[in-house]
This record gives sequence, C-alpha cells and structure tokens, in this order.
Amino acid sequence: EDQVTQSPEALRLQEGESSSLNCSYTVSGLRGLFWYRQDPGKGPEFLFTLYSAGEEKEKERLKATLTKKESFLHITAPKPEDSATYLCAVQDHNQGGKLIFGQGTELSVKP
Amino acid sequence: GAGVSQSPSNKVTEKGKDVELRCDPISGHTALYWYRQSLGQGLEFLIYFQGNSAPDKSGLPSDRFSAERTGGSVSTLTIQRTQQEDSAVYLCASSFQQGDAQYFGPGTRLTVL
Repeated sequence: EDQVTQSPEALRLQEGESSSLNCSYTVSGLRGLFWYRQDPGKGPEFLFTLYSAGEEKEKERLKATLTKKESFLHITAPKPEDSATYLCAVQDHNQGGKLIFGQGTELSVKP
Repeated sequence: GAGVSQSPSNKVTEKGKDVELRCDPISGHTALYWYRQSLGQGLEFLIYFQGNSAPDKSGLPSDRFSAERTGGSVSTLTIQRTQQEDSAVYLCASSFQQGDAQYFGPGTRLTVL
C-alpha cells in the first residue's frame, strides 16, 4: 500500500535559521512526488514536482530533493512569511491520477 | 489567469439534508479531482475525472456520495442524507493532464449540525 510520512509534525525556527523537512514514501511505481504549501483557510498551493531520484528543484528560499525513499524540502534563511503547512504527496503509476498525501509539517518562523 | 473556483465557500446544513458542492476547474484542464480534508485526517482522495468520465471513484466513502462532470468542465459533488462525520473541507483540483501538477481551489467548508 502506498504511504507517505512527513517529519517533523511541527517545526519552529527563528528568522534566518535554515532547516529541512522530510517526506518518506513507499510506492509501487512512482510517477511523481509533489510539494505543496497550505496557508490556514486556503487550498494547497503547488510548489514542486520531482520525477526521479537525484532530481532537484529550487524556488526562492526553497529547494526540494528526491531519493528513492524520501524527499527533503530545504528552507534557507527562512522569513516569517514562509510560515505555513508544507504537504508532500506521491502519485503512483498504478493508481491513476490521485495524490496520496502525508500529514504535513507545520512550519512557524519567528522574527 | 483564473484559478480553480469552488462554491459555496461555506455550507452549514442539518443532518439528513442533501448538499451540492460545485467546482470550476482551470480552463483547458482535462483532469479534475475531489479531495476531503478533515482535522487529524489530512487530505483524502475522493474521485477523479478525465473529461466527463470517472475512472477512479475508489475514495468515495459511501454510496451517499456521488459526483458528475459535464462538458469536460464544471463538476458537482453531491452528498445525500448528510451525517456529522461528513463535516470537512472539500477541495477540488484540476490538472492539464493526468500526472501533471494539480492546482487546488480554496475549498468548501461543510458543517453538518
């Protein structure tokens, strides 16, 4: 059964304190791994798609990496506006288009 | 351009009533998805449309839930005889094709009293 586990559940950082969020996954045939950001009361906002081990994507202070078992979302010198819940999801070749989500990491960045 | 829109944004209903939730996907997106987000449950897949057909309904929790899509565009999720456990945020997403990034709407918050 496909499964996604994110850690930590919550992370508190000081502004400028870099860190990483982890997404471990089990999937029979990975089509893609997706990272989303979700602010309270809003729908998830797409950040990145990674398709194969070794792939990396960057956007501003965020960098996503992928191995055969996990993905990391690295946050460099975060700012308070980076505070949000970050969601990881996988799509399985054998499961059509649906995304299987992890529980998310709630990030709080204090000034 | 316009993103995914959903209506209503909030819906409060009494147990046993039927509700309809609407989703307008991004123009030109062939794939449409419904998810449900509950406290402590995370995001759960409900149903997926490719065009007007639904090849995957595996996430619908019971036969009280149904969905349709017309004209390859607008979709409606219907919940009959609502129960308190149906209370959640219902999210719609669309993608250009299956496998592409899915873009989410703002959701409909459903509260069943």
